Amino acid sequence: GQQVMQIPQYQHVQEGEDFTTYCNSSTTLSNIQWYKQRPGGHPVFLIQLVKSGEVKKQKRLTFQFGEAKKNSSLHITATQTTDVGTYFCAGYNTNAGKSTFGDGTTLTVKP
Amino acid sequence: KAGVTQTPRYLIKTRGQQVTLSCSPISGHRSVSWYQQTPGQGLQFLFEYFSETQRNKGNFPGRFSGRQFSNSRSEMNVSTLELGDSALYLCASSDDRQGVNEQFFGPGTRLTVL
Repeated sequence: GQQVMQIPQYQHVQEGEDFTTYCNSSTTLSNIQWYKQRPGGHPVFLIQLVKSGEVKKQKRLTFQFGEAKKNSSLHITATQTTDVGTYFCAGYNTNAGKSTFGDGTTLTVKP
Repeated sequence: KAGVTQTPRYLIKTRGQQVTLSCSPISGHRSVSWYQQTPGQGLQFLFEYFSETQRNKGNFPGRFSGRQFSNSRSEMNVSTLELGDSALYLCASSDDRQGVNEQFFGPGTRLTVL
């Protein structure tokens, strides 16, 4: 079945440093979504990427979808303490008809 | 619009018991998915219901079941509880009509099995 791998599992950064999490799928995806889950909270949708090679930005967050539509990344520039949480990617495959979540990357930011 | 609601928020059961969790999706959303979340295991897909029919199913044993009602509210049931079933159970609803499968998650039900 479809597998979505996400690395790293944990990332500890100093406030102001950059952060990147990577997502790789075993199959070609129709789209990929990113979610953020704050400690004690539930996942909240951030963005969806659909097109091959697509790049989208949300303030300090940059999302990329690979040319082959099998990988994606989320990059945060100059992290802040408000960025702490777990970031999940979710790859949607039309044939499977469902999204498969990666295991998430948990980001901690030291002030 | 009100968000996704789940009841109860917390639940403590003992091994062998059964439990029913409830999820009310966002008004107008017909798709409801259930996930199990445990530390270090990410979000494990249980099943998805759409218009009262199970559309997809994850790799969980038959002790886990669900259903959806005509008003799109959904329930999931776990029978013969095991210690390993302790987890946060999240439901998520989406509006398939627009072709975008953004999922809106509820706050979850934290189940503890003793």
